[in-house]
Amino acid sequence: DAKTTQPPSMDCAEGRAANLPCNHSTISGNEYVYWYRQIHSQGPQYIIHGLKNNETNEMASLIITEDRKSSTLILPHATLRDTAVYYCIVRVARYGGSQGNLIFGKGTKLSVKP
Amino acid sequence: GAGVSQSPRYKVAKRGQDVALRCDPISGHVSLFWYQQALGQGPEFLTYFQNEAQLDKSGLPSDRFFAERPEGSVSTLKIQRTQQEDSAVYLCASSPRDTRRGDTEAFFGQGTRLTVV
Repeated sequence: DAKTTQPPSMDCAEGRAANLPCNHSTISGNEYVYWYRQIHSQGPQYIIHGLKNNETNEMASLIITEDRKSSTLILPHATLRDTAVYYCIVRVARYGGSQGNLIFGKGTKLSVKP
Repeated sequence: GAGVSQSPRYKVAKRGQDVALRCDPISGHVSLFWYQQALGQGPEFLTYFQNEAQLDKSGLPSDRFFAERPEGSVSTLKIQRTQQEDSAVYLCASSPRDTRRGDTEAFFGQGTRLTVV
């Protein structure tokens, strides 16, 4: 699976949009981009995923560049409860072997400040 | 709420002791994963079940680690002769479909924090 690169930390003011970047320059055509977050002392929480098109749900929006080499997770109105480590993961869509699991990096620690 | 449930939440074991960690996945979920998370690191894959079949155990760090899911629902991760380096949070996750498709999200439990003294 393709490797991802994320900044180790970011700050965001409460109520403002948080834009978390992720580089995945070696992504291939059949790999999905997933975002999870992990709030302190909890298990990772699924946020959103996409293949080619931009996606939006009740939690966030995912913007994937046309060449698919990078993406941005957008939390439109960050709150203090959004303080967490955010993981960007690329995941291949094929059967067989270990491709079913998620490979986590170190993620981005987002601190939302009042 | 019927999320993924793990027990115990905390476990302190003396070095050399055997431990068993339990995971109750979301009802009906076919895929189940175990991950190990050291302090300050992201979760690392241990093993993967599709129903009762253990399809991948490539992440288990040694033969002291053993996982089972005999009836395709509840799973147990067993660690024999625990060592200090086994201290970590052990996370269980389940998915409703075959995650090898690539387009299926996983739902995580809160984890079991194991401390070996």
